[in-house]
Amino acid sequence: DTEVTQTPKHLVMGMTNKKSLKCEQHMGHRAMYWYKQKAKKPPELMFVYSYEKLSINESVPSRFSPECPNSSLLNLHLHALQPEDSALYLCASSQDLGSFDEQYFGPGTRLTVT
Amino acid sequence: QKEVEQNSGPLSVPEGAIASLNCTYSDRGSQSFFWYRQYSGKSPELIMSIYSNGDKEDGRFTAQLNKASQYVSLLIRDSQPSDSATYLCAVNVKAAGNKLTFGGGTRVLVKP
Repeated sequence: DTEVTQTPKHLVMGMTNKKSLKCEQHMGHRAMYWYKQKAKKPPELMFVYSYEKLSINESVPSRFSPECPNSSLLNLHLHALQPEDSALYLCASSQDLGSFDEQYFGPGTRLTVT
Repeated sequence: QKEVEQNSGPLSVPEGAIASLNCTYSDRGSQSFFWYRQYSGKSPELIMSIYSNGDKEDGRFTAQLNKASQYVSLLIRDSQPSDSATYLCAVNVKAAGNKLTFGGGTRVLVKP
């Protein structure tokens, strides 16, 4: 099973809302990633967790807060977002940090901030 | 200069022909190279990885790496309409932290 699941598929939220994106994998992967992808642009790395610890934060604004409660789950908590944060949010996992030949992406959550 | 550059396209290819996609990168410390396919509205899917100079073939796909010239290419033989997608080149520079840097992507249209 090489599946990464993400919920919800779509999310519409106002600028004062708090919401969370969820990602799950059961491949035993130890590294998990959050990417943001705007239309017609490549994915941009946001956060990387390795063995449930935050390894990389690409200077992401604090209105995005990642959490890795266990080795299979990755959350992204959203608060006070701006309309320009509307994008496709992709979760990915790989066996270990940097083993990109085994990196699998989830289907993404399409976020619209109104 | 962007770290990873691709022609945005669209690259229009007749069905059955060879599609040739190019990618250049700026960091000579780059160590591993990847090609992803992304259909509209979907997530990226890894199709090829290459680590050393030369060619690597997998089915209808061939990746070519030339570290001296700092480019990596992808050939798609016998192109099919189902190959119509955006192809993303990604590069890993371990010294910069274990992360991928993506190029802007090349949109490929295969016409029947």
